[in-house]
Amino acid sequence: AQSVSQHNHHVILSEAASLELGCNYSYGGTVNLFWYVQYPGQHLQLLLKYFSGDPLVKGIKGFEAEFIKSKFSFNLRKPSVQWSDTAEYFCAVIPNTGFQKLVFGTGTRLLVSP
Amino acid sequence: SQTIHQWPATLVQPVGSPLSLECTVEGTSNPNLYWYRQAAGRGLQLLFYSVGIGQISSEVPQNLSASRPQDRQFILSSKKLLLSDSGFYLCAWSVGLAGGREQFFGPGTRLTVL
Repeated sequence: AQSVSQHNHHVILSEAASLELGCNYSYGGTVNLFWYVQYPGQHLQLLLKYFSGDPLVKGIKGFEAEFIKSKFSFNLRKPSVQWSDTAEYFCAVIPNTGFQKLVFGTGTRLLVSP
Repeated sequence: SQTIHQWPATLVQPVGSPLSLECTVEGTSNPNLYWYRQAAGRGLQLLFYSVGIGQISSEVPQNLSASRPQDRQFILSSKKLLLSDSGFYLCAWSVGLAGGREQFFGPGTRLTVL
């Protein structure tokens, strides 16, 4: 069965600092990859996704993620964080064949101080 | 556009009491439906999923059950709540049985069992 590891459970940054959140998955086949974000008091919402094509994907609010197949990684990045990026971030993986279940990482809580 | 509703938003119940959480989806037909529990530091745990009316798959043995009486309605239930059932319950939907579909989440229900 597939699994997802998020290495950072809590991250604290100052505004304008750069962000990189790690995500690694274990699955031998083709997968689709997602980053979801949950802002305080809000729904879990999709930040970005990778299905195929360019391994560098851009999402909302200036976030991007790079799929490195050889490393089974899908790290999330943002060059300059804002206070409003304070949220919990979840990486998720789903195999690309047949009906499969989305598997989530344990999440990373990001706190951006003004 | 599609929307997903969950109610109640918060619930406080005594140990041993029954539970019924409801999720409904609007704006789509024959969705796949999911119940997750979100616990701090553990990410999202898939509890149940359904690919059609009356079809329920359980992911983990527990004190909870799910039902899908209508195409766009998904209910999470318990006959007798345990303290360990406390948590944040999320409903989600996706479309298609082909692989790799993203999921869309509801606002969640915060359940506290005392």
